[in-house]
Amino acid sequence: AQKVTQAQTEISVVEKEDVTLDCVYETRDTTYYLFWYKQPPSGELVFLIRRNSFDEQNEISGRYSWNFQKSTSSFNFTITASQVVDSAVYFCALSEMETSGSRLTFGEGTQLTVNP
Amino acid sequence: DAMVIQNPRYQVTQFGKPVTLSCSQTLNHNVMYWYQQKSSQAPKLLFHYYDKDFNNEADTPDNFQSRRPNTSFCFLDIRSPGLGDAAMYLCATSRGGSAGTDTQYFGPGTRLTVL
Repeated sequence: AQKVTQAQTEISVVEKEDVTLDCVYETRDTTYYLFWYKQPPSGELVFLIRRNSFDEQNEISGRYSWNFQKSTSSFNFTITASQVVDSAVYFCALSEMETSGSRLTFGEGTQLTVNP
Repeated sequence: DAMVIQNPRYQVTQFGKPVTLSCSQTLNHNVMYWYQQKSSQAPKLLFHYYDKDFNNEADTPDNFQSRRPNTSFCFLDIRSPGLGDAAMYLCATSRGGSAGTDTQYFGPGTRLTVL
């Protein structure tokens, strides 16, 4: 069975601090996909990134960066110079690929609060 | 802009009174999903459609049904809502193509209150 663990339930930082959100996953699949979604107070889940299991290159997008380490089954997310607008719940998810679409296994989420 | 739309954003119903939530998409995606998300919890998949093929999750209560009359629309019917069904209901879509391209895109959700 697949499992995603986000050990940090809540994180609170002051604006401009860097913050890393941890994600550890378990799967027996050799091919899988990892995702991060952001859920602001409005409720919509916003797609941030998808990473496949064969690509361990780190990725940077503006203030966001992701560190995928297959050896430790981790896919951590770092926000550099955090801003108040980054306050949200962040979900890490693992995809089980099926012929009828993908089934996402979500972690429990990390509530990030960025204080001015 | 291509998007996933959910109506209404807020729905109030009475205990036991049937309610229908609506989702539409302009992405022309093959797959549509319904999730239930309770407060401070992760989204939980209820079921999904790949085109017209319905795929129910094993632990989804019979009280929850879904219809997909065409590619663009999908409905969630709750036949007899209980207090425990109060939650955010999220609709998502994905292309359903080759494995690497199948990212799910979510709508804004409908928050259901049961009185």
